[in-house]
Amino acid sequence: DVKVTQSSRYLVKRTGEKVFLECVQDMDHENMFWYRQDPGLGLRLIYFSYDVKMKEKGDIPEGYSVSREKKERFSLILESASTNQTSMYLCASSFRPYEQYFGPGTRLTVT
Amino acid sequence: GENVEQHPSTLSVQEGDSAVIKCTYSDSASNYFPWYKQELGKRPQLIIDIRSNVGEKKDQRIAVTLNKTAKHFSLHITETQPEDSAVYFCAASYAGGTSYGKLTFGQGTILTVHP
Repeated sequence: DVKVTQSSRYLVKRTGEKVFLECVQDMDHENMFWYRQDPGLGLRLIYFSYDVKMKEKGDIPEGYSVSREKKERFSLILESASTNQTSMYLCASSFRPYEQYFGPGTRLTVT
Repeated sequence: GENVEQHPSTLSVQEGDSAVIKCTYSDSASNYFPWYKQELGKRPQLIIDIRSNVGEKKDQRIAVTLNKTAKHFSLHITETQPEDSAVYFCAASYAGGTSYGKLTFGQGTILTVHP
């Protein structure tokens, strides 16, 4: 059974803070993804990674960066958190370009 | 890039009725169309998908149809039950070469099934 975990379910940060969201998968998947989910906007891709140290921008990368030093771990970094980054963040992984397995999500509030 | 539009944004049905959710996509190169279900407070999970070499796929009470010419695809749920209440997302991608399975999602449909 594929397991994707995220470091926190809920997170509250102040404007300007550096924020790290971590995702870990246990199925040796090559592909990992970070999305943000906002009501009425669906899931929007921030960044994805297809191999260790490899990354590509998604549709809304501004204000975010990522790191993938190990195959099982993919981190999302908010260099200087802003209130418009308050959202639900979902990580996903996949082995082939088909089914993506999602983590439980991190609800981030920036005050 | 790809753009996926999903309608309706909310759908309310009586238990036992059918529900239909429709999506259109813009990139004719897209060839993989999954549907995800997200129950309240839970993670999205794949419920059915279709590839562009077929026009319809069924799995018990759910079915998906694809019209490549019109660039639209639909989710059909028959004999709806209260446990079908959730947010449903359609998505599209080009699955091949070095695409890595990057999905573009629709905006989501909140389905409510009343007992």
